[in-house]
Order: sequence, then C-alpha cells, then structure tokens
Amino acid sequence: AQSVTQPDIHITVSEGASLELRCNYSYGATPYLFWYVQSPGQGLQLLLKYFSGDTLVQGIKGFEAEFKRSQSSFNLRKPSVHWSDAAEYFCATSGSARQLTFGSGTQLTVLP
Amino acid sequence: NAGVTQTPKFQVLKTGQSMTLQCAQDMNHEYMSWYRQDPGMGLRLIHYSVGAGITDQGEVPNGYNVSRSTTEDFPLRLLSAAPSQTSVYFCASSYQRGGHEQFFGPGTRLTVL
Repeated sequence: AQSVTQPDIHITVSEGASLELRCNYSYGATPYLFWYVQSPGQGLQLLLKYFSGDTLVQGIKGFEAEFKRSQSSFNLRKPSVHWSDAAEYFCATSGSARQLTFGSGTQLTVLP
Repeated sequence: NAGVTQTPKFQVLKTGQSMTLQCAQDMNHEYMSWYRQDPGMGLRLIHYSVGAGITDQGEVPNGYNVSRSTTEDFPLRLLSAAPSQTSVYFCASSYQRGGHEQFFGPGTRLTVL
C-alpha cells in the first residue's frame, strides 16, 4: 500500500527566507505525486504535480519540487517566502487506481 | 464553471440523526470522491466513484453511504451520526483518464454532538 510521510508538523520561517518542506513516499512503481496548499477555512489548491519526465517540477506561486527516486522524496521548495504563503501544505500520491493518499500536513508560519 | 460545489458549509447534528452532504461538479468528470480531514491525519478517503452507477469504498467507509445516479452529483449520507464523524468533509473530482489531478470543493464542517 502506498503511504506518504511529512516529517515536519510545523515550520516557521521569516519572510524572504527560503523554504523547503519535506515529503517521503512509499510506492512500488513510479507514483503520481502532488503538493496541495490549504489556507485557513478553505479547500485544497493544487500547487504542482509530477507524473514523469523532468524531475524538477515548477508550480504556481513560485513553488517548485524535485522528485528523487533514490531517496523516495518529493520536497517542496520556494526561494523567498511571502507572508501570504502561510498555510498548511499537503503532499499526496496516487497510483493507478487514482485514489489520493495524503501526508499528515505541514503547517507553515511566516514571521514578518 | 462553478467547479466542485458542496452544501452545506456548516452543519451541527445530534448523535443518531441522519443527513446528506451534497457534492456537485460541472466539469463532466468521471471520477468523484469524498475525504474527511481530521487534525494531524491529513485527508482520508471515504468513498469514491469512477462513473455513474459505480461506487467503491475507500480507507474509512464505515458509517457512510454514497450513490452516483448522475455524472454531476455524488452525495454522502450519514445514516446515524456519531461524535467520531465530527470532521471537515471534502469532495473532489477528476477525469478518469489523464494526469490524476483532483479538484476539491470548499468543504463541509460537520459537528456531531
């Protein structure tokens, strides 16, 4: 069965600093990988996705993620964080059955 | 396009009451699903459907029923609500073919007293 681990429950960064959110997955074949963002009281918005090909994926709002098969990781990065990036971030994976398996989420706080 | 819509936004129930959470999408997506979100647990799949007339169980199906009579609608029924079903519920949809990207509704916050 597939699984996703987000080892950081809460991360705090200063505005303008760089950001990296960690995600590790467990899946036998090459997975479909996603990062979603959830602002307070809102639904989930897709930031980026990886299916195949180039392992560095660009998303919306200046985010990117890198798929590393050897490390079973799909970490999310942003070079300079804005106050509006404060939210909860979810890594997810799906296999051929299309069912999404989510990590437990990482809450991001941005200090002024 | 309205995307994925959910009603109601908020609901309070007493233990043992029944209710239906509504979900509709106007993107002609074949695949629809229901998740519940609980603190520290991410989102967990309750039920899903790959097309009208076809439904299946996800990770946490107990206490919930679904049906899919049309492509657009995928209601979630709680037959006898329990406090353990207090959660935020999200509906999502996607094309059956292609890149698996799922579009989420705004959620329903349910409290069972």
